[in-house]
Amino acid sequence: GNSVTQMEGPVTLSEEAFLTINCTYTATGYPSLFWYVQYPGEGLQLLLKATKADDKGSNKGFEATYRKETTSFHLEKGSVQVSDSAVYFCALSDSGGGADGLTFGKGTHLIIQP
Amino acid sequence: GAVVSQHPSWVICKSGTSVKIECRSLDFQATTMFWYRQFPKQSLMLMATSNEGSKATYEQGVEKDKFLINHASLTLSTLTVTSAHPEDSSFYICSATPGVYGYTFGSGTRLTVV
Repeated sequence: GNSVTQMEGPVTLSEEAFLTINCTYTATGYPSLFWYVQYPGEGLQLLLKATKADDKGSNKGFEATYRKETTSFHLEKGSVQVSDSAVYFCALSDSGGGADGLTFGKGTHLIIQP
Repeated sequence: GAVVSQHPSWVICKSGTSVKIECRSLDFQATTMFWYRQFPKQSLMLMATSNEGSKATYEQGVEKDKFLINHASLTLSTLTVTSAHPEDSSFYICSATPGVYGYTFGSGTRLTVV
């Protein structure tokens, strides 16, 4: 079956630091890949996505590139802010088109200190 | 656009009673909705796929008689936790797909069974 592995947290960084959250996956076929963010007390929000190999998803300064050869989708941001503090989930979908549910990683709690 | 509304946001019930959680797509029609369960500091686990006008598809290990799902219209899916027990206490989140390659999540329901 499908699985997503992401680095355990919490990850604590200072403001303006460079961020990398690793995510690797196991899936049959060609899944679509997603990063979701969950702020305290809120639901999940789509941060970015990529639907095929070598695609780069980007949003709000965050980027992730779909690497089929390494089955990875690492999340990066060049300069984090306190407001980026949240839990980040890497996820995949077999269909990408919404016919199947998502398989999530365990989530990475990111803490940004001023 | 593409808003999924989930109600209630939190509920406390007595052991042995049933609780119904609603998930509505506010500005789009959703033939398919998904129900997830999130344990504290853990990932979201797909429980079932809710299909409008037909029976839900449950993931392995999910008790269909305990977690009743009804998807009677294109904008509403309900999850009923029957004969709830403390171990059913969790955060339940629904999701729907407003378009290709997109999943929109509700804000979740915190269920506490006492």
